[in-house]
Amino acid sequence: DTGVSQDPRHKITKRGQNVTFRCDPISEHNRLYWYRQTLGQGPEFLTYFQNEAQLEKSRLLSDRFSAERPKGSFSTLEIQRTEQGDSAMYLCASSFISGNTIYFGEGSWLTVV
Amino acid sequence: GQQLNQSPQSMFIQEGEDVSMNCTSSSIFNTWLWYKQDPGEGPVLLIALYKAGELTSNGRLTAQFGITRKDSFLNISASIPSDVGIYFCAGQGVKTSYDKVIFGPGTSLSVIP
Repeated sequence: DTGVSQDPRHKITKRGQNVTFRCDPISEHNRLYWYRQTLGQGPEFLTYFQNEAQLEKSRLLSDRFSAERPKGSFSTLEIQRTEQGDSAMYLCASSFISGNTIYFGEGSWLTVV
Repeated sequence: GQQLNQSPQSMFIQEGEDVSMNCTSSSIFNTWLWYKQDPGEGPVLLIALYKAGELTSNGRLTAQFGITRKDSFLNISASIPSDVGIYFCAGQGVKTSYDKVIFGPGTSLSVIP
């Protein structure tokens, strides 16, 4: 399968714990995006990488959130000291530099209890 | 900030009927994208539109990039039960600093066999 893959697909964690999600983009894609989606809403942009450089961060990305893409391939999104409001699906997507079309992974569901 | 509006919010139709939904914005966009999302899964790209006035088909789906660049519509002909899901429009604007794609709130489609 050469699509965008995300791991884990589901995570249940206690409030205050840290969680980390991993995304492996389509191998030829230089750009990688993180979005968050809550029930009944469309995906909301969080941050975006071009190769290893993080080029934009949304105001939704509080100080507790950090994303990395150290070698320009896979990316991680870490949430520290999780809160119940962090419960959502975290979506990763990727695209070519020249393309406006982004392809999504299947998402990682986070439930904070 | 830029926002997308989708209508209708939800639709209930008989199998075999045609469906039409649209997406509007107060800002102009360079690219319009239409995605379908099944419960618990990531959005899947259906159609991408890159030029004002462009009309593109993908099987039973047809989408158009509005002449004003502020709207787009998606039509589904002869609906079938597997068309059930949430349809999101997404756009990449002309004034964004980078290539951020923003999403509408979605149109939920139910098909009655």
